[in-house]
Amino acid sequence: DGGITQSPKYLFRKEGQNVTLSCEQNLNHDAMYWYRQDPGQGLRLIYYSQIVNDFQKGDIAEGYSVSREKKESFPLTVTSAQKNPTAFYLCASTTGMGNQPQHFGDGTRLSIL
Amino acid sequence: AQSVTQPDIHITVSEGASLELRCNYSYGATPYLFWYVQSPGQGLQLLLKYFSGDTLVQGIKGFEAEFKRSQSSFNLRKPSVHWSDAAEYFCAVGAVRGGADGLTFGKGTHLIIQP
Repeated sequence: DGGITQSPKYLFRKEGQNVTLSCEQNLNHDAMYWYRQDPGQGLRLIYYSQIVNDFQKGDIAEGYSVSREKKESFPLTVTSAQKNPTAFYLCASTTGMGNQPQHFGDGTRLSIL
Repeated sequence: AQSVTQPDIHITVSEGASLELRCNYSYGATPYLFWYVQSPGQGLQLLLKYFSGDTLVQGIKGFEAEFKRSQSSFNLRKPSVHWSDAAEYFCAVGAVRGGADGLTFGKGTHLIIQP
């Protein structure tokens, strides 16, 4: 079955440490996204990529970095510069056409040790 | 910039009763509108979408939504809720130019079902 796989489901970060969240899709979608979800805040866009080797900052990109070396993969690194990383992170993808909805992975919950 | 407002943070409904979740959007042109549902610790599942045409759209799990341009609203409805409908519901708007820069989400409405 086609879909989006996020791993790990739970992740813990120590102070000063960078951590990387994985997102893989086998839907042959061009566009991929990372959202951060905090209680009562909805989803906020961190980064998005419309094509391989290209990505754009979203609304809350500070303290995060991404890469898009393959169409299927869009990993997110939470750097030590992100002072409040505890949140639920969601990856999504779409064909990139304006009339198509986004498909979501099951998320990664990141916590501080 | 586009924005979405879901006025109700929590809604409690008795099982078997009807449901309406409110969504108001702000966007300068014709919006693409979506409703998603999220169970605890899970990703988002698409319930329905509106792009153009008939203003009443049908979705999965017996949900429907009506687009009202004059009120900038896209409210979600269900005639009779089931206990399994308890979840978080998100309304979202996408840019007409392609949505490739992401959807804008409301803050969500938490639906509680009373037996």
